[in-house]
Amino acid sequence: DIQVTQSPSSLSASVGDRVTITCRASQSISNYLNWYQQKPGKAPKLLIYVASTLQSGVPSRFSGSGSGTYFTLTITSLQPEDFATYYCQQSYTTPYTFGQGTKLEIK
Amino acid sequence: EVQLVESGGGLVQPGGSLRLSCAASGFTFSNYAMHWVRQAPGKGLEWVSGISGSGGSTYYADSVKGRFTIYRENSRNTLYLQMNSLRAEDTAVYYCAKGRWTMVRGDQFDYWGQGTLATVSS
Repeated sequence: DIQVTQSPSSLSASVGDRVTITCRASQSISNYLNWYQQKPGKAPKLLIYVASTLQSGVPSRFSGSGSGTYFTLTITSLQPEDFATYYCQQSYTTPYTFGQGTKLEIK
Repeated sequence: EVQLVESGGGLVQPGGSLRLSCAASGFTFSNYAMHWVRQAPGKGLEWVSGISGSGGSTYYADSVKGRFTIYRENSRNTLYLQMNSLRAEDTAVYYCAKGRWTMVRGDQFDYWGQGTLATVSS
């Protein structure tokens, strides 16, 4: 199975900050990497798919990049509603696997 | 508006069975792959299973292969997960999720239900 490793596992930041979360795959997954946001008690929400395509309705302050084994999610100018847990997920091959999550907290 | 509503969760003893359902609306159900993703209490996300739009192709996580069966009734716009030989480690919120494509391979999950909790305990 392809392992997906996110870092950091937690992150403290302030409103207005720029943050970057990274995701590494254990083998090349081309651009089959997706990012999700989850708030407590809620279902996850798709933010970005195939590494860099913004899902409809997602604010442009979210962006993704990368290919092969290294990927990043960047949030510019953090807003209060962005404090949540973020997951990356590879869809290159089944079984699909998620990163362990990055909890973004208010500093 | 896309809606996915799960049901069928509950408390079951180890070794028992549960069948989860996911009623879909707001899109042409048979055109899209569907998936089950679970989340154990306080833990991360784990993809469980996926099924193509036609139902002809199914895929499973190693942790559930041979115990769980995914299937769909396109005439009823409903997705199912039959869970047998349940273990304590299967305790989780189970989400159904719509794929962006007809096939499972290379898919992403663009809409999710609210989840249903399955608890395996004696």
